[in-house]
Amino acid sequence: EAQVTQNPRYLITVTGKKLTVTCSQNMNHEYMSWYRQDPGLGLRQIYYSMNVEVTDKGDVPEGYKVSRKEKRNFPLILESPSPNQTSLYFCASKEQGKKLFFGSGTQLSVL
Amino acid sequence: GENVEQHPSTLSVQEGDSAVIKCTYSDSASNYFPWYKQELGKRPQLIIDIRSNVGEKKDQRIAVTLNKTAKHFSLHITETQPEDSAVYFCAASRWDYKLSFGAGTTVTVRA
Repeated sequence: EAQVTQNPRYLITVTGKKLTVTCSQNMNHEYMSWYRQDPGLGLRQIYYSMNVEVTDKGDVPEGYKVSRKEKRNFPLILESPSPNQTSLYFCASKEQGKKLFFGSGTQLSVL
Repeated sequence: GENVEQHPSTLSVQEGDSAVIKCTYSDSASNYFPWYKQELGKRPQLIIDIRSNVGEKKDQRIAVTLNKTAKHFSLHITETQPEDSAVYFCAASRWDYKLSFGAGTTVTVRA
């Protein structure tokens, strides 16, 4: 089954404790992206990747890192999480010119 | 960058009535306009999209219209049903990899 898999689904952490949210897709998509969803703000792009070893900033990249060492994986790294990064995070992937597939989301709470 | 505004933020309709959501965009070079539906606790899923060379597109009870001159596009849902209750997001992009989302509309269909 074609899918984008994110882990974990829920995460509670404390300020400053490094964390990684994993994202994997099995559709051989070149493009992958991370979004955060906040009430009243919709979905905002954090980082995206056009292909392996190619990443670029989206609209809200501050406080986040990504890497794309393999085509299928695109982890999101928060080196020093802060409470304003409490949000619902979605990973997504697509083929060029086709629709965006979203993962099931990761609800992150930073205390 | 692209700025997408979406109205209304909430919409309550009687079952069987129509629902209309409107979006405006700022970048006149944007050429792709998808609509996503997000049910409670679920991931956003594409329900319909339109490209700038088309003025209207319909898929069963949903339709999207695009006015490039005015830089706005709308989602129309006819004969609404309880399963249409969800959050709907519009989006716009100039490039395939840079999708900007509206803030979302929460649609409630009253039985």
